[in-house]
Amino acid sequence: DQQVKQNSPSLSVQEGRISILNCDYTNSMFDYFLWYKKYPAEGPTFLISISSIKDKNEDGRFTVFLNKSAKHLSLHIVPSQPGDSAVYFCAASGGSNDYKLSFGAGTTVTVRA
Amino acid sequence: DTGVSQDPRHKITKRGQNVTFRCDPISEHNRLYWYRQTLGQGPEFLTYFQNEAQLEKSRLLSDRFSAERPKGSFSTLEIQRTEQGDSAMYLCASSFVREGNIQYFGAGTRLSVL
Repeated sequence: DQQVKQNSPSLSVQEGRISILNCDYTNSMFDYFLWYKKYPAEGPTFLISISSIKDKNEDGRFTVFLNKSAKHLSLHIVPSQPGDSAVYFCAASGGSNDYKLSFGAGTTVTVRA
Repeated sequence: DTGVSQDPRHKITKRGQNVTFRCDPISEHNRLYWYRQTLGQGPEFLTYFQNEAQLEKSRLLSDRFSAERPKGSFSTLEIQRTEQGDSAMYLCASSFVREGNIQYFGAGTRLSVL
């Protein structure tokens, strides 16, 4: 069963505007969440993470928001740049000694010049 | 440090043959993971090691699959009697206990079973 869901397969945004990617999860044991970015022919690259004890984490142009009650997280990219065009995966892990990541299916972001 | 290295990058094999993939993690990373990714999906967990001990295996990992990590360094993933359904990207990742659960991925090995 898919415990992490990214319901938008694709997103197109104009350069300089905000990109908002969404992710929902069903497993209440998840307590650590990550976003990865993937270019073709490369492995996923870690972008940003958030622990369940926080509701926001920011790193430069990237901010992740976590709403535990709704089991929802989002990634904001501001401003979007052409180099941000990639597939973005949401991932989660949870519980003590549970280190495996459960991934969503990904959202393909295209930044238009 | 050159990151997580996987070899080969591509493997084409005939159904019924055995294949073996290798992963070299980032040095000092004590955890190593294998994932499988098919088209349009995110990576799916297969198994993971802490040092040389294999601590968890997914039910996706049939008895045709075996993974090893001798001496807690590189790891190998072997698939015996390959089937067409095994065609996928096989990703390896490693992590360091002091960095929480941030996993660093290699570029993957793409397997095509004809």
